[in-house]
Amino acid sequence: DGGITQSPKYLFRKEGQNVTLSCEQNLNHDAMYWYRQDPGQGLRLIYYSQIVNDFQKGDIAEGYSVSREKKESFPLTVTSAQKNPTAFYLCASSGDFDTEAFFGQGTRLTVV
Amino acid sequence: GQNIDQPTEMTATEGAIVQINCTYQTSGFNGLFWYQQHAGEAPTFLSYNVLDGLEEKGRFSSFLSRSKGYSYLLLKELQMKDSASYLCAVRSHSGNTPLVFGKGTRLSVIA
Repeated sequence: DGGITQSPKYLFRKEGQNVTLSCEQNLNHDAMYWYRQDPGQGLRLIYYSQIVNDFQKGDIAEGYSVSREKKESFPLTVTSAQKNPTAFYLCASSGDFDTEAFFGQGTRLTVV
Repeated sequence: GQNIDQPTEMTATEGAIVQINCTYQTSGFNGLFWYQQHAGEAPTFLSYNVLDGLEEKGRFSSFLSRSKGYSYLLLKELQMKDSASYLCAVRSHSGNTPLVFGKGTRLSVIA
């Protein structure tokens, strides 16, 4: 089955540690996105990539980094510079001929 | 700037009809999307409007007026499982570009 997979579903980290969230898709989509969701805040764009080896900052990129070495994969690293990293992180992808974005199941990150 | 407004919460009765409104002010417009999101889960696509008018899909319909920067999602014959957040999103630019989301409307369906 085609889809977009995020792992892990729940992640706990100590303050000051970097952590990488995985996102893999087998939909052959060119574009991939990372959003953050906080209660009452809706989805806010962190980074996006429209093609391999290229990515753009979104509205809240500070404290995050990404890479796009393969079409299928778009990992997000939450660095120690991110002041409030505890949140629900959603990865999405979209293709040239699809109008909507498809979402992964999300990773809930808790930093203690 | 980009601004998408929708009510924070709504309550409706099982079997009834509910309309969730969305107004938007964005730098461009290349389509409006509605997603459903149950708590702790991924958003799932409901509807897409790029031209003015009504799009119907089963119990769900979505309307768009580009001149007014306005859309609504209409849910008919409400069921308890429709209790969820409903997200309005706009694609501002053409091509494979990100969606800008509103804060979502939490709908509670009561018996």
